[in-house]
Amino acid sequence: NAGVTQTPKFQVLKTGQSMTLQCAQDMNHNSMYWYRQDPGMGLRLIYYSASEGTTDKGEVPNGYNVSRLNKREFSLRLESAAPSQTSVYFCASSVQGRETQYFGPGTRLLVL
Amino acid sequence: GDSVTQMEGPVTLSEEAFLTINCTYTATGYPSLFWYVQYPGEGLQLLLKATKADDKGSNKGFEATYRKETTSFHLEKGSVQVSDSAVYFCALSDRGTDKLIFGTGTRLQVFP
Repeated sequence: NAGVTQTPKFQVLKTGQSMTLQCAQDMNHNSMYWYRQDPGMGLRLIYYSASEGTTDKGEVPNGYNVSRLNKREFSLRLESAAPSQTSVYFCASSVQGRETQYFGPGTRLLVL
Repeated sequence: GDSVTQMEGPVTLSEEAFLTINCTYTATGYPSLFWYVQYPGEGLQLLLKATKADDKGSNKGFEATYRKETTSFHLEKGSVQVSDSAVYFCALSDRGTDKLIFGTGTRLQVFP
């Protein structure tokens, strides 16, 4: 039981490049989330998926897209990376909304 | 909207000192309250939670009591260890949506 896994662990991009962050969970959870963590700002929700087939915007969705590929997987895409997207990205899942969330180890992204 | 306010860090203590990290919240209705811990280079882990007023959550020597009258959920530990050095996040469940709302985090540094 691996819990929540994220790939890659670390990535460097140039401004304008695109990439997809992958997240998978093996706990049969319904809800999945993407957050970014920046110094002094805590965690900010980018997008979430309450259940398979649904996605909704969080607090800071601009510049990102998501896909809930199936119940296990929830990916985050940056179509045209900007230096302001330099951050640590965390994926999380929960049985359902408002309940305990379980976090992955994070992806550290640097956009030059 | 709902929000969480935590004391700013870092909190610096000597080993075996008493710890308090303050957390207050603003919410409509009756949210569940959480404390998460983030060790260096890792994702967040649930430390403890409380689901209704006067509940006490506890784990690993840490405690927090859900105080509705003061809208607080302060984290306490009687004797901290060097291994407790981490960032601690207070959070609440937003019962109007399927999300958790996090505070900005408090860094704890414990020295031998």
